[in-house]
Amino acid sequence: QSVLTQPPSASGTPGQRVTISCSGASSNIERNAVSWYQQLPGTAPRVLIHSNSQRPSGVPDRFSGSKSGTSASLAISGLQSEDEADYYCAAWDDSLTGVLFGGGTKLTVL
Amino acid sequence: EVQLVESGGGLVQPGGSLRLSCAASGFTFSSDWMHWVRQAPGKGLAWVSRINSDGSRTTYADSVKGRFTISRDNAKNTLYLQMNSLRAEDTSVYYCARSLLGRSDYWGQGTLVTVSS
Repeated sequence: QSVLTQPPSASGTPGQRVTISCSGASSNIERNAVSWYQQLPGTAPRVLIHSNSQRPSGVPDRFSGSKSGTSASLAISGLQSEDEADYYCAAWDDSLTGVLFGGGTKLTVL
Repeated sequence: EVQLVESGGGLVQPGGSLRLSCAASGFTFSSDWMHWVRQAPGKGLAWVSRINSDGSRTTYADSVKGRFTISRDNAKNTLYLQMNSLRAEDTSVYYCARSLLGRSDYWGQGTLVTVSS
């Protein structure tokens, strides 16, 4: 199964903690590192998490990533209005010999 | 400061060709794998192709294999994507990206390609 499955939408109120899941397979998430991207409206994606749980410099520690087996998760704590964006998971897929992206999750801050 | 600036997008008829460029600065371009990723209007991200640091190895998504060619000129710090036999479904914003999935992951702002008669 060369597909990364994300929920199409998620929501939370300011200050809440939300998680976004990403389900894959042994050919992608289980064997390879996962990255998470944030895409604000009208802008290019930027990396939030690489290597499953590593934050590049400049990314707030409110964002965290984890992986277990064929699934990965992005957690956002202390939700803020500026977190309203689309979020994508991604991983290398050994069967496709290419990068797979999840379908994306639209996060709404209520 | 790392910068990736794409250019070359525009309107092209089905069956036509277009070459995208991505000018890189602020890092050692010749050391990094480079990628193209696209995003159809209102849709998600889709990986297109990658090339290794010296240009000797390339990989393509099945959807573009045989029609698109990725290349680079390390002397000019520029990445290219030659797109032939374009189809309506190739209409997208095309992003170049440095070290996708890695610790130096960085994307340009993208260039829009519209395939329509």
